[in-house]
Amino acid sequence: NAGVTQTPKFQVLKTGQSMTLQCAQDMNHNSMYWYRQDPGMGLRLIYYSASEGTTDKGEVPNGYNVSRLNKREFSLRLESAAPSQTSVYFCASRNRAANEKLFFGSGTQLSVL
Amino acid sequence: KQEVTQIPAALSVPEGENLVLNCSFTDSAIYNLQWFRQDPGKGLTSLLLIQSSQREQTSGRLNASLDKSSGRSTLYIAASQPGDSATYLCAVTPGGTSYGKLTFGQGTILTVHP
Repeated sequence: NAGVTQTPKFQVLKTGQSMTLQCAQDMNHNSMYWYRQDPGMGLRLIYYSASEGTTDKGEVPNGYNVSRLNKREFSLRLESAAPSQTSVYFCASRNRAANEKLFFGSGTQLSVL
Repeated sequence: KQEVTQIPAALSVPEGENLVLNCSFTDSAIYNLQWFRQDPGKGLTSLLLIQSSQREQTSGRLNASLDKSSGRSTLYIAASQPGDSATYLCAVTPGGTSYGKLTFGQGTILTVHP
């Protein structure tokens, strides 16, 4: 049971380049989330998907887009990367009921030069 | 806006000590509170989840308590071991939503030395 899988693990981009971070979970969870983690800022929610076919903005959505491709997969796209988007990105999932634990992927370390 | 604060920011203890990590939140209208562990370069692992109606949860050497009215939670670690060294984060799910918009504290970095 792999849990939550993120790819890639590391990525270096130049300012203005685009890329997509991939996330897949095999636990049949309804809800999926994208967070970024920055020193001194903690974990901040970028976007989330409460269920297949729905997405909503979190605390820091500017500069990002998401796609809930199916129940398993939730991708995060940077259309035109900026140095301020240098961060560690985490995908997470859980069952829709808020009393279920949140499961995290191992993260993507992104540097934008 | 919910704010979550963790004290201390870092803690270093000798092996075998019992220790307490603190988490406070500004809005007591929460649905639940979770404690997570994060190892360097890794994702977060959920340790304990306390529902708003509960006072505490236990798992092995870990015990988490919740006082919702005062906006506080503590994570107690008994007989600490070097393998407990990690960053510990707390997160609250606000009431009125089932979509898991957790607010995280910035974490306590724990070092247990032999």
